[in-house]
Amino acid sequence: QKEVEQNSGPLSVPEGAIASLNCTYSDRVSQSFFWYRQYSGKSPELIMSIYSNGDKEDGRFTAQLNKASQYVSLLIRDSQPSDSATYLCAVNPTGGFKTIFGAGTRLFVKA
Amino acid sequence: DTAVSQTPKYLVTQMGNDKSIKCEQNLGHDTMYWYKQDSKKFLKIMFSYNNKELIINETVPNRFSPKSPDKAHLNLHINSLELGDSAVYFCASSRETGNYGYTFGSGTRLTVV
Repeated sequence: QKEVEQNSGPLSVPEGAIASLNCTYSDRVSQSFFWYRQYSGKSPELIMSIYSNGDKEDGRFTAQLNKASQYVSLLIRDSQPSDSATYLCAVNPTGGFKTIFGAGTRLFVKA
Repeated sequence: DTAVSQTPKYLVTQMGNDKSIKCEQNLGHDTMYWYKQDSKKFLKIMFSYNNKELIINETVPNRFSPKSPDKAHLNLHINSLELGDSAVYFCASSRETGNYGYTFGSGTRLTVV
């Protein structure tokens, strides 16, 4: 089993819709969770971090964490074509020096 | 500008050659990393250094040798390059451990021919 799993997509949503991206992880004691956005040919950019169960909102982005079910999700409200990118889920299992990345979900927002 | 800067951005070289990639951060971070992103976009950790000390060496071939002269710099030297080394290599930095997320450099696209 992969340590961090994501649906590779592509996920296609119309402009203005809510995009929902999901991620599961295998290490039950994982402490820190992140979402990165990576545009084609660019480097990953941190957009959200979440550490405790529940929702965390930042602008149009909401991260959701459920440690009992070992999943973390990212909701993008009012999706824009500029949101089209690959979204990487990342987990730092021990709060230490190693963060494990999922393979990413490609999102297309159609104008 | 505060950033993580990597050079070169592109590197095309022949099999068997030796090459180096340099990374510098001016964010005041304590920890720096090398990650490899393959053609399927999977990011895999190679090394992490905290205050110049090697913390993680993730079963990388001995042909890869990182060096951290100070906590703001982390370089990667690769000996005897192979076709399978072709990938994008990202340098990153973070405060303390990776518990606060990373700032990535712009990446080095290495092509071995």
